[in-house]
Amino acid sequence: QVQLQESGPGLVKPSETVSLTCTVSGASINTYYWSWIRQPPGKGLEWIGYIYHTGRTGYNPSLESRVTISVDTSKNQFSLRLSSVTAADTAMYFCARELGVTMFFDSWGQGTLVTVSS
Amino acid sequence: EIVLTQSPATLSLSPGERATLSCRASQNINNYVAWYQQKPGQAPRLVIYDASNRAAGVPARFSGSGSGIDFTLTISSLEPEDFAVYYCQESRQTFGQGTTLEIK
Repeated sequence: QVQLQESGPGLVKPSETVSLTCTVSGASINTYYWSWIRQPPGKGLEWIGYIYHTGRTGYNPSLESRVTISVDTSKNQFSLRLSSVTAADTAMYFCARELGVTMFFDSWGQGTLVTVSS
Repeated sequence: EIVLTQSPATLSLSPGERATLSCRASQNINNYVAWYQQKPGQAPRLVIYDASNRAAGVPARFSGSGSGIDFTLTISSLEPEDFAVYYCQESRQTFGQGTTLEIK
């Protein structure tokens, strides 16, 4: 059974860069596509971007200029970097495994809350 | 850019009733729809994929239908644990705004 666990700082200052890591267990990161998704408090879900083990990535156009997703296959982890953060980036950040041609998310981490505040 | 519109925004029903949630796409998306259930403080949980396939462990009272533009998630007889927010999603990058299913 695949498990995902996000980790990272809970509090970030405006204009800084936040880095989050998702550690995958129970499945090889080499086999699937992996995504980051976020959810501001009380709001809906927003897809941030994906990565494949080859390093191939795709990003939400609304965030593309500030997002970098990378993978470390030796550690079975993938990571998110979001630069120049503002209060609007305050959200729960989830990592998830993507399946199928229709690209749905079958497994999710529990999420990590990132708060942007000075 | 594809937009998914869910209706109603809030659905108030009682346990034992039938729930029908709608998701409409701004253009033809074939059967590329998934549905997720999210309870407070939890990550979303996959309920339906490819428009009509139940995810592993999902009770048979959940069913999905539709293709093209209009999609429906039906819960045949609501159990107390079914009250949550439900999101539809298309091909990785687009989510609907959600339907809150609340106890009447």
